[in-house]
Amino acid sequence: EAQVTQNPRYLITVTGKKLTVTCSQNMNHEYMSWYRQDPGLGLRQIYYSMNVEVTDKGDVPEGYKVSRKEKRNFPLILESPSPNQTSLYFCASSFDAGAYEQYFGPGTRLTVT
Amino acid sequence: GQSLEQPSEVTAVEGAIVQINCTYQTSGFYGLSWYQQHDGGAPTFLSYNALDGLEETGRFSSFLSRSDSYGYLLLQELQMKDSASYFCAVSGNTPLVFGKGTRLSVIA
Repeated sequence: EAQVTQNPRYLITVTGKKLTVTCSQNMNHEYMSWYRQDPGLGLRQIYYSMNVEVTDKGDVPEGYKVSRKEKRNFPLILESPSPNQTSLYFCASSFDAGAYEQYFGPGTRLTVT
Repeated sequence: GQSLEQPSEVTAVEGAIVQINCTYQTSGFYGLSWYQQHDGGAPTFLSYNALDGLEETGRFSSFLSRSDSYGYLLLQELQMKDSASYFCAVSGNTPLVFGKGTRLSVIA
C-alpha cells in the first residue's frame, strides 16, 4: 500500500530534550516536506527536500533541522524543543516539487512542557 | 511571494449546496488544488484545476478562473460527513503553498 508513515504519532516531552520525528514514504517520491498545523494558521511549511541531499527552508524553519540521506526518509529533528513548538506535525511527499497532489502522513501531535 | 485567501468558516444545511472560494496571488502559476481534512486526520487530495472551467468529481466540483486568480470548491447534496476543513493550494514555480483553510460545518 502506497503510504507515508510518521513516528511517533503522539509525543509529550520536556523543554530542551532533543527529539526526532521520523517520516518514510514507499512511493519513490522525490519531494518531501514537513508542515506544522496550528489552530487558525493552516499548514505552514517548515522544511522541504527536492531530492536526496537537497533540503531548503520553508516558512517557519527556526528551531528545526532535517536531513535527506535516503530518498524514502526525511526525519525532522528538534535539537532543543520549546513550548512554542507544541503543534501537530505532518510529513508529506509528492512525485516532484511541482506536483499538485501531495500525500500526507497521519500526523504527529507533539506537546512540549 | 504567494498568498491565498479563503473564508475561515462556512456553515451549511445537510442536503444543500455550498461554495468555498479561494483567491490567490502567485508567480509562475500552474494550477489550483483542493484538499480535505477531517478533525484529527491528515489532509487528502480532492481535485486539481490547471485550466479555466469546472471539473466535476461526483458531488464535488472545482472551478478555476486564471484571469481572476480565483477558484472555488462546490459541494452538492451536503452530508454530515462533509464537515471538515478544506484547503486550497497553488502550485507554481515553488512547491505547493496552502491557504489557511475553511472549516465547513454541516448542520441538520
